[in-house]
This record gives sequence, C-alpha cells and structure tokens, in this order.
Amino acid sequence: KAGVTQTPRYLIKTRGQQVTLSCSPISGHRSVSWYQQTPGQGLQFLFEYFSETQRNKGNFPGRFSGRQFSNSRSEMNVSTLELGDSALYLCASSSPDRNTGELFFGEGSRLTVL
Amino acid sequence: DAKTTQPPSMDCAEGRAANLPCNHSTISGNEYVYWYRQIHSQGPQYIIHGLKNNETNEMASLIITEDRKSSTLILPHATLRDTAVYYCIVRVATGNTGKLIFGQGTTLQVKP
Repeated sequence: KAGVTQTPRYLIKTRGQQVTLSCSPISGHRSVSWYQQTPGQGLQFLFEYFSETQRNKGNFPGRFSGRQFSNSRSEMNVSTLELGDSALYLCASSSPDRNTGELFFGEGSRLTVL
Repeated sequence: DAKTTQPPSMDCAEGRAANLPCNHSTISGNEYVYWYRQIHSQGPQYIIHGLKNNETNEMASLIITEDRKSSTLILPHATLRDTAVYYCIVRVATGNTGKLIFGQGTTLQVKP
C-alpha cells in the first residue's frame, strides 16, 4: 500500500511569488492535514480537509490556503511568499474507518524562499 | 487539547531500554496519549497510543499512570536508528480530526 506522497520534494522561490504543493493521501483516506515545520516554531497545524471541506484551520494568515479534490488529493497554496515561509511542509492523511486518530505523514516539501 | 511537557533531550546506550517521560496533568477523560517520532528530515511517524491501560506493539510500550497525568514511552532495545525527536501528544481520538498539537518533543540520542 503506497504511503502519503508529496510533490515537489524541494523547491526554491523568491519573495512575492506563489507556490502550490500537492499531497496524495493513502488510498481510502479522506482526511488530509497540512503542517508547517520551521526551526523556530516547530511543527504547526495549518488546516485539515475532509471530503473536500475544510474542517479545521490553524492560526496562519490568509496567504495560506488549500483545497481537496473528489479523489481526496489535496493542494496547498501560499501566495505572496515571504522569507519566513521557508519551511518543511508536511501532509498527513487518516482513515475514517479505523477511527484511531492515527495520522500518516508524507516526507514533506521543503520550500526555500530567497 | 491538553498540553504536554517533555524533557528536551535524552541519551541512551545502544541495546538498552530508552524510557521517555511525558507529563500531561491537564488531560481530559476522553483524551488519548499519542506518541510520534520524527527522524531527521522525515515526516513524523506514529508509534503508539493509549487511553488508560498500558499498551504494547512491535515498536514500543506505553505506560500510563493510574491518574493519567503522566506516561512513559519505552523502547525496549534502542538502536542507532531510534535516534529521533519523540513527541508526546494528547487529543481525542474520535472524529478523526487531523489536528495534532506538537510540542518541542524530546530529542533522543542513541549512542554506540
């Protein structure tokens, strides 16, 4: 069974640009969550999507947005990039059937903003 | 979600048991204790979780005190590959919410 797949793994952008990151969850998982990890702030929850609806949101500015498609794949977008957006962005999926609360994380997309 | 307190770092000799403590004195009755770990530059990996009984799986054991205010993750025979940051998290399990509140975790260094 394939794990959570995130693309791209690495990318470099400049300030003011926007970026879109993609996440393919484990087959059958309908919940997809996004996290940002930086050395200073650690792992922080961005938002969660379930059946194409956002059902949880962290404390991030509106420049951070996301969406989920009917096949449960998800994308997150960051507009007007700032230097502080440089981070590892992690995606996690979970299964509604098992109801254990266990999340499965991908390897992340490492974004560098210059 | 309740807050957890973990020591920032610990060392363990290879082959010995690693005992990682976690305090969660404000845990609610319906909140579970979860442990994840993150090996350098990888995504966090689920290890184990429990409500009030001790739990064991192929990776680790989880010991929760009777008052549920603290717990200990035990890696019975630590290897160099267990070097990672270990996160203790408390949250409700139902609803499959994908929101986890990570603290700073404990950096476990397994030494030869």
